[in-house]
Amino acid sequence: SAVISQKPSRDICQRGTSLTIQCQVDSQVTMMFWYRQQPGQSLTLIATANQGSEATYESGFVIDKFPISRPNLTFSTLTVSNMSPEDSSIYLCSVEGDEKRNTEAFFGQGTRLTVV
Amino acid sequence: GQQVMQIPQYQHVQEGEDFTTYCNSSTTLSNIQWYKQRPGGHPVFLIQLVKSGEVKKQKRLTFQFGEAKKNSSLHITATQTTDVGTYFCAGTTGGFKTIFGAGTRLFVKA
Repeated sequence: SAVISQKPSRDICQRGTSLTIQCQVDSQVTMMFWYRQQPGQSLTLIATANQGSEATYESGFVIDKFPISRPNLTFSTLTVSNMSPEDSSIYLCSVEGDEKRNTEAFFGQGTRLTVV
Repeated sequence: GQQVMQIPQYQHVQEGEDFTTYCNSSTTLSNIQWYKQRPGGHPVFLIQLVKSGEVKKQKRLTFQFGEAKKNSSLHITATQTTDVGTYFCAGTTGGFKTIFGAGTRLFVKA
């Protein structure tokens, strides 16, 4: 299993500002995943962050809006840039238990973002 | 693209009644996983099914994976108030990407 520490747990931000979310994993992992979960909705993958290379973004998400850093195998950040109320959501980072076998995903506690 | 559809969207049950949620994929899955998310919490892994026709049980929870590996179900027998939450299925097709279903939100009335 993997233990993920994610912070902040919640924040209220002014529109037009940016927020950086951090995730720290207790073991080395090749891939880290960033999801968005809007209220009452499912999880939508934003991007996959690999150490030493550019993140891979899903359709509808762009690097300018959601820049990601992956400086080492245990840490990643997601920045929500130039925020608007539509960005209000829960943001979750995730890793897989065993990357070679597509096993279960472990999630951070989530960051509940409210943009006013 | 690949889709994983989940129904129902929500269900209200009386404590002691059974509950089932269903997932269907547009493509064959290499495995399917189930997660539970309590209100205000993050998704927590419940189980993974890999084999065609596989059935697994965890106390009052029964998980099935269809013969064609395109559908799955989670059945809870005699629900309890502690079962409240949203249950998500998540499928993978052999790549590293996991697609989550929309989730079924379970309400249990004592």
